[in-house]
Amino acid sequence: KNQVEQSPQSLIILEGKNCTLQCNYTVSPFSNLRWYKQDTGRGPVSLTIMTFSENTKSNGRYTATLDADTKQSSLHITASQLSDSASYICVVSARSNDYKLSFGAGTTVTVRA
Amino acid sequence: SQTIHQWPATLVQPVGSPLSLECTVEGTSNPNLYWYRQAAGRGLQLLFYSVGIGQISSEVPQNLSASRPQDRQFILSSKKLLLSDSGFYLCAWSRGDRNEQFFGPGTRLTVL
Repeated sequence: KNQVEQSPQSLIILEGKNCTLQCNYTVSPFSNLRWYKQDTGRGPVSLTIMTFSENTKSNGRYTATLDADTKQSSLHITASQLSDSASYICVVSARSNDYKLSFGAGTTVTVRA
Repeated sequence: SQTIHQWPATLVQPVGSPLSLECTVEGTSNPNLYWYRQAAGRGLQLLFYSVGIGQISSEVPQNLSASRPQDRQFILSSKKLLLSDSGFYLCAWSRGDRNEQFFGPGTRLTVL
């Protein structure tokens, strides 16, 4: 069964600090992995996408890494801002069925001044 | 550019009442369309997806149904709501040849 596990479930950080979110998956055969940001009460918005051959991808202060061998990904937020407070969702796609995505439960990040 | 709309944004309904949530996409043609439910602390659960008008695939047995009367319109319905139908419902679209999905703003449904 394709699964995506995220950790931690939630975290609180001070404005200006960095943090790293983790994602482990068992989806196979692997196609790509995306990180989404979801503000409270809103739909998820894509931050990064990585395929098998990519091991890092940046989008501003967000940097995602991928280790396809260990099936792990991380999302690093640098110099956090209050607007980074949101849920971050790891989403993995299997090559066998592009319609169906495997979603992690998300990590809720709260940035405090 | 493409945009996706959902309405209503929030809805409070009594148990046993009917439901109709609407999703429309602008700026693209023949999109793949999806309905998800998001429960607190859990990942998004795919409910239905559609690759064309009148073509609906159901992922989980449930109290809900979906229809696609037009190319860019996707409707989620129920004849009689249950308490367990409460949740955050998201509509999404993707191009037929790519799997990146773009999500709508969502509908918060509370069944009392």
